[in-house]
Amino acid sequence: SQQGEEDPQALSIQEGENATMNCSYKTSINNLQWYRQNSGRGLVHLILIRSNEREKHSGRLRVTLDTSKKSSSLLITASRAADTASYFCATDAFLLNYGGSQGNLIFGKGTKLSVKP
Amino acid sequence: GAGVSQSPSNKVTEKGKDVELRCDPISGHTALYWYRQSLGQGLEFLIYFQGNSAPDKSGLPSDRFSAERTGGSVSTLTIQRTQQEDSAVYLCASSLFRGSNEQFFGPGTRLTVL
Repeated sequence: SQQGEEDPQALSIQEGENATMNCSYKTSINNLQWYRQNSGRGLVHLILIRSNEREKHSGRLRVTLDTSKKSSSLLITASRAADTASYFCATDAFLLNYGGSQGNLIFGKGTKLSVKP
Repeated sequence: GAGVSQSPSNKVTEKGKDVELRCDPISGHTALYWYRQSLGQGLEFLIYFQGNSAPDKSGLPSDRFSAERTGGSVSTLTIQRTQQEDSAVYLCASSLFRGSNEQFFGPGTRLTVL
């Protein structure tokens, strides 16, 4: 079953603008990850934020996590045409009876970002 | 190789035929995962392996789907008596161990069932 829900489903911006994508999830998590996918093929890991972290940065990427609202956001600053891709959040669920990670990731449907030059 | 590889990259088959999809994980990665992605959708978890065993088969959509992993390395996903709704991109990923930070994905196999 799908855990994450991203919004918006599609986002179109001009080069140089910032892009913000949001993700909501349903259960307790071990961590939340963001992935990027070009042309419907392999995914590339962008950033991981653990359940006890609130914000993380990597280059032009900034991720926030609010576990009380079960939501996360991905901000891409100073976007470039090469950032055009689909972006997915994925949650690594925390299994209470196991006391650890479920292992497999549960993905949302993604946000399709288009950055126009 | 440095990354996860999958073969074939594309497979077109007729309804009712069996297909085998192959995944070569990154050397040393003990956990291996299969996902599928239908057109315009997110990834749907199918099955994962820790070593050669598959403790979680809950994601397999029907008993026509099976997977195995041998030698803690290569995995094959078999779909028997394919149906048109099986058409999707099948993605394989590996990680150092279950629950480790990052999953590394292969390029996927695009399966089309006519």
